Amino acid sequence: KNEVEQSPQNLTAQEGEFITINCSYSVGISALHWLQQHPGGGIVSLFMLSSGKKKHGRLIATINIQEKHSSLHITASHPRDSAVYICAVARFGNEKLTFGTGTRLTIIP
Amino acid sequence: EPEVTQTPSHQVTQMGQEVILRCVPISNHLYFYWYRQILGQKVEFLVSFYNNEISEKSEIFDDQFSVERPDGSNFTLKIRSTKLEDSAMYFCASSRQGAVNTIYFGEGSWLTVV
Repeated sequence: KNEVEQSPQNLTAQEGEFITINCSYSVGISALHWLQQHPGGGIVSLFMLSSGKKKHGRLIATINIQEKHSSLHITASHPRDSAVYICAVARFGNEKLTFGTGTRLTIIP
Repeated sequence: EPEVTQTPSHQVTQMGQEVILRCVPISNHLYFYWYRQILGQKVEFLVSFYNNEISEKSEIFDDQFSVERPDGSNFTLKIRSTKLEDSAMYFCASSRQGAVNTIYFGEGSWLTVV
């Protein structure tokens, strides 16, 4: 079983829809990262969470430490949000990030 | 906004050749990383570097791999004798205070071993 599981693997939605991507993990962590990977391959950090909730523009990330679960939400989705969204976790005392397989999001105009 | 820069963006090399991938991390960051992503697969950790030494490495990071911070600004990954299975995108990353801080990634270096 992978340490980090994401769902769905692929998601296609219409412009304007509310998007939710889920991440579950099986180990104790010090931090969870949400990342965006562009079609060209570059990776951009969206959020680093250790508890609670963070918001940046139309993006919201939440984490439930007890349930070992995090969600990334996108409100009023736009075609430019089309990308692969990746969840990655850092175990306590480790520098290594363990990555999920990513969710490929496609927003149709 | 400060960024991590990587060179080259793409390199094609013959099997058995040595390759050096270069990175310039963000200047006030203390933690440096190399990750790789084989085409179609998830990103994998290779190595972390702090205080001028390796702090953690994965089982992928065997004797064929080495890292160096030669001059206080560059951070390099060397693959001594490349294999076909080393073909991947290699990402350099840096962070001010480690994995509990935002980690900034470079655009990646595509390595193709033929």
